[in-house]
Amino acid sequence: AQKVTQAQTEISVVEKEDVTLDCVYETRDTTYYLFWYKQPPSGELVFLIRRNSFDEQNEISGRYSWNFQKSTSSFNFTITASQVVDSAVYFCALSEEGAGSYQLTFGKGTKLSVIP
Amino acid sequence: NAGVTQTPKFRVLKTGQSMTLLCAQDMNHEYMYWYRQDPGMGLRLIHYSVGEGTTAKGEVPDGYNVSRLKKQNFLLGLESAAPSQTSVYFCASSYRREGTAYEQYFGPGTRLTVT
Repeated sequence: AQKVTQAQTEISVVEKEDVTLDCVYETRDTTYYLFWYKQPPSGELVFLIRRNSFDEQNEISGRYSWNFQKSTSSFNFTITASQVVDSAVYFCALSEEGAGSYQLTFGKGTKLSVIP
Repeated sequence: NAGVTQTPKFRVLKTGQSMTLLCAQDMNHEYMYWYRQDPGMGLRLIHYSVGEGTTAKGEVPDGYNVSRLKKQNFLLGLESAAPSQTSVYFCASSYRREGTAYEQYFGPGTRLTVT
C-alpha cells in the first residue's frame, strides 16, 4: 500500500531563513507521481509541483526548490529566504499509476510558521 | 472560469439528518474526487469518479454515497449524519490521460459540523 510520511508536524523559522520540509514515500509501483500542495490559513489547497518517478532532476521555481531522490524515497521541499506569506500547511502527496484513478495519498502535512 | 466550486461553504447538521454536498467543475475534467480533512490527518479520499456515471470507494467511504450523473458535477451524500463526520470536505478534479497523473484542482472546501 502506498504511504506518505511527513515527519515534521510543525516548523517555525524566522523570516529570511531557509527551511526544508521532508517527505518520504512508500510505493510498490515503478511508475508514480509526487506532488506538493500548499494550504494557507485561508484554507484552499494550492498546487505547487508534480514530479513523475522517471524524472529525478531537481526543480527550482523562484525561492522554491524540490529534491527528488529515488534511492531514499524522498521528495523534499526547500524554501529559500522564507517570507511571512510562506506560512501555511504543506502537503506532500503520492499517486500511483497502478491505481488507475490516480487518486492522491496525502501525508499529514507540515505546518510552517514564518516569524517576522 | 470558476474552476471547482462547492456548495454549501458551511453547514451544521444534527445527528441523523441527511444532506448533499455539491461539487461542480467547468474544466471538462474526467476525474473527480471527494476528500475529508481532519486535524492532524491530512486529506483522506472518500469516493472518486473516473467518468460520468461511474463511482468508486476510496479510503474512508463508510457513511457516504456519491453520484456523478453529469460530467461536471459530483455529489456527496450523507444519509444519516454522525458527529464523526464533522470535518472539512474538499472536492477535486483532474484531467485524464492514459499513463499520466495530472495535478488535482481543489474546491474551496465545505466545513460541516454534526452536533
